[in-house]
Amino acid sequence: EAQVTQNPRYLITVTGKKLTVTCSQNMNHEYMSWYRQDPGLGLRQIYYSMNVEVTDKGDVPEGYKVSRKEKRNFPLILESPSPNQTSLYFCASSLSVSGPNEQYFGPGTRLTVT
Amino acid sequence: AQKVTQAQTEISVVEKEDVTLDCVYETRDTTYYLFWYKQPPSGELVFLIRRNSFDEQNEISGRYSWNFQKSTSSFNFTITASQVVDSAVYFCALNAGTYKYIFGTGTRLKVLA
Repeated sequence: EAQVTQNPRYLITVTGKKLTVTCSQNMNHEYMSWYRQDPGLGLRQIYYSMNVEVTDKGDVPEGYKVSRKEKRNFPLILESPSPNQTSLYFCASSLSVSGPNEQYFGPGTRLTVT
Repeated sequence: AQKVTQAQTEISVVEKEDVTLDCVYETRDTTYYLFWYKQPPSGELVFLIRRNSFDEQNEISGRYSWNFQKSTSSFNFTITASQVVDSAVYFCALNAGTYKYIFGTGTRLKVLA
């Protein structure tokens, strides 16, 4: 089954404790991206990747890191989480031929930083 | 600067009514793409449509239709004969110039039985 998986689905952590949210897709998509969803703010892009070893900042990259060492994986790293990073996070992937295409989203990761 | 505005925060309609969700975008690029996504109460995000800036044809898919007007920078979404299952948050999104996406803040649609 074609899908984007994220782990963990729920995470409660404390300020300053490094964490990684994993994202994996099995569709051989070149493009992958991370978003955060906050009430009243919609979805905001954190980082995206056009292909292996190619990443770029979205609108809200501060406090986050990403890497794309393999085509299928795009982990999101919070080196020192803070309470303002409490949010719902989505990973997405898509083909990038013929321009931006339909994004397939993961189920989301609800992160709480206390 | 690129921007997507969904001015309607929440809309409530009674089942079988038609409803239009507005999306206004801003970009200086001549090549861009517009999208609509649906987020039902279960939380997943589901793709509905993609439209590029060179294709101004309106599109109809069952009860859903989209009206793209470059003159007013709008890409509105109409649901005809709404159903309770249409209750969701709907997002409009823009991709212009790069592979960076700008989403609107979403419109919550409540369809009452």
